[in-house]
Amino acid sequence: QSALTQPASVSGSPGQSITISCTGTNSDVGGYNYVSWYQQQPGKVPKLMIYDVTNRPSGVSNRFSGSKSGNTASLSISGLQAEDEADYYCSSYRPGSNTFVFGTGTKVTVL
Amino acid sequence: EVQLVESGGGLVQPGGSLRLSCAASGFIFSDFAMSWVRQAPGKGLEWVSSISGSGGSTYYADSVKGRFTTSRDNSKNTLYLQINSLTAEDTAVYYCAKPSGRYFWAPLDPWGQGSLVTVSS
Repeated sequence: QSALTQPASVSGSPGQSITISCTGTNSDVGGYNYVSWYQQQPGKVPKLMIYDVTNRPSGVSNRFSGSKSGNTASLSISGLQAEDEADYYCSSYRPGSNTFVFGTGTKVTVL
Repeated sequence: EVQLVESGGGLVQPGGSLRLSCAASGFIFSDFAMSWVRQAPGKGLEWVSSISGSGGSTYYADSVKGRFTTSRDNSKNTLYLQINSLTAEDTAVYYCAKPSGRYFWAPLDPWGQGSLVTVSS
């Protein structure tokens, strides 16, 4: 059950836009629309930011958006703010085995 | 308001066992599958296990299969994780999490505050 692959770090200046990638396989990211994204600020519990590839839960800023192409999903953050500095994890459900997998995690730094 | 409160963590010697509990409130517990996710110190999130609402089906990550057992008591609104044959690699914060919807593959939201398990002699 290999983890989904994410870049270790991404950075940007306030106001800029950044994108975090999440690469899996046809058995997870590429085969189904069950990709979620979580934000984990230092010392805090993970928070759901995006689900089913593109959907935002109530209360999540519209600066966060999700997409997918082939086996790679992406999380984009526009108008980067200091409060966006956190670790971000993608996750996917694997219907073939009824299991879940997380990405390796990406540390976002606001310069 | 949904609340998930883990307990049972602590310091355990290698080879030992531990049972974590997750007390749930604010929703109809038996209607929802539940999951355990762990995070080793300074590391990423790792899905550990999920259990159906009835408790009749359980699923595990390969890394814990055969050593961890997930169960639930719907009469007590409580989720359990029995951890056996502990090694240093099991040192982590263990989170219980509820899916946001009634379908098994729903994203996890919310999460409990976590319970720290430290395996050391």
